[in-house]
Amino acid sequence: EPEVTQTPSHQVTQMGQEVILRCVPISNHLYFYWYRQILGQKVEFLVSFYNNEISEKSEIFDDQFSVERPDGSNFTLKIRSTKLEDSAMYFCASRVTSGNEQFFGPGTRLTVL
Amino acid sequence: GENVEQHPSTLSVQEGDSAVIKCTYSDSASNYFPWYKQELGKRPQLIIDIRSNVGEKKDQRIAVTLNKTAKHFSLHITETQPEDSAVYFCAHRGFQKLVFGTGTRLLVSP
Repeated sequence: EPEVTQTPSHQVTQMGQEVILRCVPISNHLYFYWYRQILGQKVEFLVSFYNNEISEKSEIFDDQFSVERPDGSNFTLKIRSTKLEDSAMYFCASRVTSGNEQFFGPGTRLTVL
Repeated sequence: GENVEQHPSTLSVQEGDSAVIKCTYSDSASNYFPWYKQELGKRPQLIIDIRSNVGEKKDQRIAVTLNKTAKHFSLHITETQPEDSAVYFCAHRGFQKLVFGTGTRLLVSP
């Protein structure tokens, strides 16, 4: 069964550094999402992406964040200058146009020191 | 008006008992209500979902009920087993995003 994949599984970075988190959505899916989950808390929406543009974003998704679909398979989340509070698990998700279910990737644990 | 209240935050039951988790939302435009199970360190996994034109849905030991007028929806797990132990999140979707509840940690003791 096709799955959303994410790399790396764990990223450790210094405060102020840029990080890029990578996702490969399921191949026939056209809606892509990023969520984050701070340890022990709920899952929070960051951004949705469709037809090569952002369709919705949350207050968390400020100017330090950006998303890109650089080719036909990857979907990336960039954080330009990481802060301690960016430490969290970041989940990518995707869904088909005609469906409701969002399929989640395994997540990238980002640790900012 | 997008928050979801979820109760209880923790729930301990004996194996074989039933477990009920309740959520309340405020966005009238919401039309899709999934429930996710998340084991420690893993991704959220969809266990059941319901659309707003349906009041109840059942899949083996799991059922979800929706009261759109009252903006409540609930997850029911019958004949609980130790492997049901996890954190359960309700969610709802209005436009694009899923808005998650705060989670319920379910512990099923043998």
